[in-house]
Amino acid sequence: AQTVTQSQPEMSVQEAETVTLSCTYDTSENNYYLFWYKQPPSRQMILVIRQEAYKQQNATENRFSVNFQKAAKSFSLKISDSQLGDTAMYFCAFIIIQGAQKLVFGQGTRLTINP
Amino acid sequence: DVKVTQSSRYLVKRTGEKVFLECVQDMDHENMFWYRQDPGLGLRLIYFSYDVKMKEKGDIPEGYSVSREKKERFSLILESASTNQTSMYLCASSLTPPRVRSGNTIYFGEGSWLTVV
Repeated sequence: AQTVTQSQPEMSVQEAETVTLSCTYDTSENNYYLFWYKQPPSRQMILVIRQEAYKQQNATENRFSVNFQKAAKSFSLKISDSQLGDTAMYFCAFIIIQGAQKLVFGQGTRLTINP
Repeated sequence: DVKVTQSSRYLVKRTGEKVFLECVQDMDHENMFWYRQDPGLGLRLIYFSYDVKMKEKGDIPEGYSVSREKKERFSLILESASTNQTSMYLCASSLTPPRVRSGNTIYFGEGSWLTVV
């Protein structure tokens, strides 16, 4: 079975702090994409960062970076210099590139950035 | 601008009614997905389709069916709506195999809020 687990239902930090959101996943496949999505109250899904599983180098996008550990099937998101606008629900997800291309999400982490 | 459009943003239906939720994409994507989102449970996959007339059950298909008669349209059907199907329903699409195009791999609709009374 393909699953994604986010073990932190809620997190809260002060503005400008660094926060790390955890994600583990399970698949027997070797080729896949991993994602972190942000979902504000509007419920629109916004791509935060993407990682191709065949790439060893961790993806970065400005203040957002990942720690991708393929052997451990771990994909955590680090947000540096957090801002009030980062307050949202964050989902970890992956999609297999071959075979049954099922897009699987975790349960989500509600992140609150406090002023 | 590429789009995934869910025809109804907010619906209120009665128990036992047949409900259709429509999703249309204009990107010639082969893969399309239907999820429901509930607090604390994240997005749970109901059904997905990888081609016209092809469908696969997701993790929670009970009480739902789908139709994909045309490549651009993927419909979610609640044959007899029940109150426990009150939820937000989200449609998504991607290419086969999934790859980056116009900066994204997965495209999402805006969601459909269904209340069953």
